[in-house]
Amino acid sequence: AQSVAQPEDQVNVAEGNPLTVKCTYSVSGNPYLFWYVQYPNRGLQFLLKYITGDNLVKGSYGFEAEFNKSQTSFHLKKPSALVSDSALYFCAVRGVEGGSYKLIFGSGTRLLVRP
Amino acid sequence: DTAVSQTPKYLVTQMGNDKSIKCEQNLGHDTMYWYKQDSKKFLKIMFSYNNKELIINETVPNRFSPKSPDKAHLNLHINSLELGDSAVYFCASSSRHEQFFGPGTRLTVL
Repeated sequence: AQSVAQPEDQVNVAEGNPLTVKCTYSVSGNPYLFWYVQYPNRGLQFLLKYITGDNLVKGSYGFEAEFNKSQTSFHLKKPSALVSDSALYFCAVRGVEGGSYKLIFGSGTRLLVRP
Repeated sequence: DTAVSQTPKYLVTQMGNDKSIKCEQNLGHDTMYWYKQDSKKFLKIMFSYNNKELIINETVPNRFSPKSPDKAHLNLHINSLELGDSAVYFCASSSRHEQFFGPGTRLTVL
């Protein structure tokens, strides 16, 4: 069965410091992996995806993620955090059912960047 | 020119009522979805439609009935609302890989 785990409910980091939000996955076959961000009272915004190619994927707002096949991980990173990055982050893997795709989400990690 | 729109944004209603949430996308996608986000922020797919045809139904109670009049619209009708239906409901549509989400509808059942 396909699944995604985000082991941290919350990540706290000081502004200007690097941040990492962890994600591990379980999927048969090649994984299609995604990161979404949700700001308070807003919908989900796409950040980045890994389909194939370079293991380091660059996305919106200076975020990047590293695909590690041997560790089945897809951690989200940013070299220098901003207070405005504070939000809820979801990792997701694409699942297939009945010829249609669906996203299977992790439980979410709340990122809090303090000034 | 919002890509995926939902109405209403907030919906407060009494137990036992019937309500509908509408979703429209102007991205030209063939596939649309409904997701439910519970009070713990956990997101789970409910339905998927491809070109007006139901593809995925994730064991959602049959009080929930999606309807797709055309591939740009996927509405969600809920009968006999229960307290446990209180959540945020997100509509989405997808291209080959990415899914684009609407702003969500916060449903509160009293």
